[in-house]
Amino acid sequence: DSGVTQTPKHLITATGQRVTLRCSPRSGDLSVYWYQQSLDQGLQFLIQYYNGEERAKGNILERFSAQQFPDLHSELNLSSLELGDSALYFCASSVYSGPRVEQFFGPGTRLTVL
Amino acid sequence: TQLLEQSPQFLSIQEGENLTVYCNSSSVFSSLQWYRQEPGEGPVLLVTVVTGGEVKKLKRLTFQFGDARKDSSLHITAAQPGDTGLYLCAGALVENRDDKIIFGKGTRLHILP
Repeated sequence: DSGVTQTPKHLITATGQRVTLRCSPRSGDLSVYWYQQSLDQGLQFLIQYYNGEERAKGNILERFSAQQFPDLHSELNLSSLELGDSALYFCASSVYSGPRVEQFFGPGTRLTVL
Repeated sequence: TQLLEQSPQFLSIQEGENLTVYCNSSSVFSSLQWYRQEPGEGPVLLVTVVTGGEVKKLKRLTFQFGDARKDSSLHITAAQPGDTGLYLCAGALVENRDDKIIFGKGTRLHILP
């Protein structure tokens, strides 16, 4: 157990719909990262938040948005869903110690768009 | 564009054999992490290397960070079926508490019993 929680575990929805994925980081971690992983693919970085503020953006579509709340949990909103959005979505939180940045991943949300 | 290339992309070997996977970049990293991911689950951190030339061992797994902190290798001795999974390396670029993490595409390892 990494200490990072994600809900829901599975999500099945239809094209055109909107969903919200939720992540709670490990206690004390200020950074949250979101990744997308399609079947048999590597991790695609979407976005990073640090203590409530957006820190870095990766290959995140305009239909996707995220935020981090004062209690440090984060939500990833996916709208106007397309079949190609079906994937595993992971969040990770990290701890800094000098040059070390170690990420701890949640169990993921499997999104299926029908 | 910063890239982290992993090789081989796929590897299928017999139980008991040794193997090495590589992670290479033109970027100098502050630290480098190796993760293992099983199907449908999140990546799990195996090790972090920080110092150029650093070697870390985790049972039958040996991790090495290149002297110039641009590359790393993972060597598995006497591979077991339980070693099967996706191995990901991630390089961290840290400056003034701003960090950028770059993931390789992974090496998919299958150990045949």
